Amino acid sequence: AQTVTQSQPEMSVQEAETVTLSCTYDTSESDYYLFWYKQPPSRQMILVIRQEAYKQQNATENRFSVNFQKAAKSFSLKISDSQLGDAAMYFCAYRSGGGSTNAGKSTFGDGTTLTVKP
Amino acid sequence: DGGITQSPKYLFRKEGQNVTLSCEQNLNHDAMYWYRQDPGQGLRLIYYSQIVNDFQKGDIAEGYSVSREKKESFPLTVTSAQKNPTAFYLCASIRRGGLNTEAFFGQGTRLTVV
Repeated sequence: AQTVTQSQPEMSVQEAETVTLSCTYDTSESDYYLFWYKQPPSRQMILVIRQEAYKQQNATENRFSVNFQKAAKSFSLKISDSQLGDAAMYFCAYRSGGGSTNAGKSTFGDGTTLTVKP
Repeated sequence: DGGITQSPKYLFRKEGQNVTLSCEQNLNHDAMYWYRQDPGQGLRLIYYSQIVNDFQKGDIAEGYSVSREKKESFPLTVTSAQKNPTAFYLCASIRRGGLNTEAFFGQGTRLTVV
């Protein structure tokens, strides 16, 4: 079974600084996708960034970027120029690809609560 | 506007009763999911469905049941066999062929056993 581990239950960062959230996963599949979602106090899930496992290039979305190390099964999220609105719980997620027997199955980590200090 | 709707927002259940949570989407998405979230924790997959009339167990399916008779609807029944059903439940969907795309989530249902 696929597992996702977020080893940092809580992180804090000063406004305008950079912070990195860690995520590791365990899988024997070769076809999969990785995501970071943000969940603010409203509990609405918001996609931050996504990465296809077959792509070597790290995904970037404005101030958000990932460090995808496929061999190490690591998928960390870097937030640059942190803003007060970035404060939320962040979840790393794994989804099995179409070539998998578990195609579409999506697994989430336990989350990291990010606090942004003004 | 297209979206995914969960109802009710809050639900109270007496011990020993079954209860059904509704999830409806008008996004024409094929795949739908049910997750459970406990306080301060992540989302755990209960059931998922890739197409109508087919669904698979997730990681914590015991004590839950689902049906997928229509593309738009994926109701979740929490049965009396579920030992600790008090939690926040989230429904999600993704489009056909969109395994690499974002999941759209509902607003959630908070279930409390009284």
